[in-house]
Amino acid sequence: DAKTTQPTSMDCAEGRAANLPCNHSTISGNEYVYWYRQIHSQGPQYIIHGLKNNETNEMASLIITEDRKSSTLILPHATLRDTAVYYCIVRVVRGAQKLVFGQGTRLTINP
Amino acid sequence: GAGVSQSPSNKVTEKGKDVELRCDPISGHTALYWYRQRLGQGLEFLIYFQGNSAPDKSGLPSDRFSAERTGESVSTLTIQRTQQEDSAVYLCASSLARVRVGYEQYFGPGTRLTVT
Repeated sequence: DAKTTQPTSMDCAEGRAANLPCNHSTISGNEYVYWYRQIHSQGPQYIIHGLKNNETNEMASLIITEDRKSSTLILPHATLRDTAVYYCIVRVVRGAQKLVFGQGTRLTINP
Repeated sequence: GAGVSQSPSNKVTEKGKDVELRCDPISGHTALYWYRQRLGQGLEFLIYFQGNSAPDKSGLPSDRFSAERTGESVSTLTIQRTQQEDSAVYLCASSLARVRVGYEQYFGPGTRLTVT
């Protein structure tokens, strides 16, 4: 699976959009981009995933560049409860597979 | 519906003792995973089960670690002769594994193991 690079930490004001970048320059054509987050003392939570088109669900939006070498997770109206470590994971989808977690981005939402 | 559950939520044990950690996956999820997270660290994959296939044990750190799964339900992770470096949160996850895009994993709350 391709390696990802994320900033170690970010801050965002409550109510504003939080934009979390992820670089995956070695991504191959059959690899998807997944995002998970881990709120303190909880298990990781799936957020969203995509291949090449932008995706949106009730939690977030995922913007993938045309060359697929980077992506951005957008939390449109961040709340204090969005404070967490956010993990960008790139993987081939071919059945049940382990997830390989990097260090992620520690996002702090400030009041 | 019910999510992934794990028990116990906390376990304190003495060095050298054996421990068993339990995971109840989401009903209908054929794939089950165990991960470990040491304090301040990322998640480390340990083992996963997929239906009747042989489990992927590639992440187990030593032969003191083993896991079993009963059919497509409960799984038990056993650590024998625990060591202090085994102290961590042990997380279980489950997912569907049919031919569909997604396979997103749903995690339980974890078991915090402390070896004294």
